[in-house]
Amino acid sequence: GAGVSQTPSNKVTEKGKYVELRCDPISGHTALYWYRQSLGQGPEFLIYFQGTGAADDSGLPNDRFFAVRPEGSVSTLKIQRTERGDSAVYLCASSKLGVPEETQYFGPGTRLLVL
Amino acid sequence: GENVEQHPSTLSVQEGDSAVIKCTYSDSASNYFPWYKQELGKGPQLIIDIRSNVGEKKDQRIAVTLNKTAKHFSLHITETQPEDSAVYFCAARKGGTYKYIFGTGTRLKVLA
Repeated sequence: GAGVSQTPSNKVTEKGKYVELRCDPISGHTALYWYRQSLGQGPEFLIYFQGTGAADDSGLPNDRFFAVRPEGSVSTLKIQRTERGDSAVYLCASSKLGVPEETQYFGPGTRLLVL
Repeated sequence: GENVEQHPSTLSVQEGDSAVIKCTYSDSASNYFPWYKQELGKGPQLIIDIRSNVGEKKDQRIAVTLNKTAKHFSLHITETQPEDSAVYFCAARKGGTYKYIFGTGTRLKVLA
């Protein structure tokens, strides 16, 4: 079956612009996670959804970052007033039930470059 | 705060040799420790994991050991093959949360 997909695969924007990054989890997976991966670093947790609700958004760096999952499947990560420091690969992962220790399946990521 | 240190940052081994990657975590409440393999242009893929009530786990050529007292855990790959070349990440999860703290990664090169 299809894995986690993310679009776009690459996004180049200018400082100050607004961007949206999309994640399509594996069908039927109730848990969805967003991570940010800077060059040479490990993924950094941003937010976790269980169904439609954000169960843990403690990793969002500031109020310019926001994520939604209105129907409990597709999720969108929104970044306002982008800054050069936002440049990174944004990874999405999903798991079936959101039970702790359950395998997370990662998508290929969206590479964001803010000029 | 929560932190996971990972060493070495790069590792080169000859095909057939073993590779060991080590991680140390800071939060004693961490109870789940997965390892991920990330190939170029792809997302991380889980390769093995261990829970805090287990000291060692093995899956074919891959094994993970955990020392809770020292807050250390290690990945062991035996009989390495060129296709094992990738970046490997360790992670730790605190009990009762869904937040994973990742190490900084180890770039493994297996030389044919």
